[in-house]
Amino acid sequence: GAVVSQHPSWVICKSGTSVKIECRSLDFQATTMFWYRQFPKQSLMLMATSNEGSKATYEQGVEKDKFLINHASLTLSTLTVTSAHPEDSSFYICSARQDYGYTFGSGTRLTVV
Amino acid sequence: GESVGLHLPTLSVQEGDNSIINCAYSNSASDYFIWYKQESGKGPQFIIDIRSNMDKRQGQRVTVLLNKTVKHLSLQIAATQPGDSAVYFCAERRSGYSTLTFGKGTMLLVSP
Repeated sequence: GAVVSQHPSWVICKSGTSVKIECRSLDFQATTMFWYRQFPKQSLMLMATSNEGSKATYEQGVEKDKFLINHASLTLSTLTVTSAHPEDSSFYICSARQDYGYTFGSGTRLTVV
Repeated sequence: GESVGLHLPTLSVQEGDNSIINCAYSNSASDYFIWYKQESGKGPQFIIDIRSNMDKRQGQRVTVLLNKTVKHLSLQIAATQPGDSAVYFCAERRSGYSTLTFGKGTMLLVSP
C-alpha cells in the first residue's frame, strides 16, 4: 500500500530557531499534500494545502511567513517552522492525496524549549 | 459507558463487545467520509470510507453507517479487541474540494 514517510518523528529545539519537517511519498506521486497540527487530546487542524510547483494555500489564522511550506517535487513536501516559540510545540502531521484516498505520515512531535 | 472529557469523549467497552462510535458532521455539501484510527504518537490510519450515495458499507469487523438526513456518521466495530483501543476520528470532504475536515474524535478504551 501507499506509504508516506515523515521525518523527524520528534525534535526538540530552542526558542527562536527554525525546524524543518519532511514528508515523502515513497511509492507514489503526490500532487497534493496537506499539513496538519494536533494539540493533545484534540483533533487534527488543517494548516495548509500544498500543491507541487505552486504556492501553498494556508488556512485562516495560519501564518504563512512562520510556517513555510515547500513542495518542490511530486514526492516531497517540507514544513519549516521559523523562529519557533513554545506555543508552536505540537504534533505536526502530513498527508498525501492519491486518486483513491489519503495517506498520512507518522507525525512529528515538536517541542520548543 | 460513554463520557465526555475536557476535549475528547471516551467510550469504554469490554473485550468482545460491539462498539459504536458516532460522529455528527457539519456540511450538507460533504460527499465523502472517512473513519480513521489514531494510536498515541502516530498518524491517522485509514479504517473505512463511504460516499454519500451509500448509507452503509462493511469491512472486516467494521461497518460505517451514513444518515445524510441528520448529518450523522457511525462506526461499528464488532467483537472489539484490546488492540482497537485508540482515538477514532471521522473526516468529511466537501464536494469539489480536496481537503478533509476532521471531527473531534472519540477515545475507545477496551478492557480485557
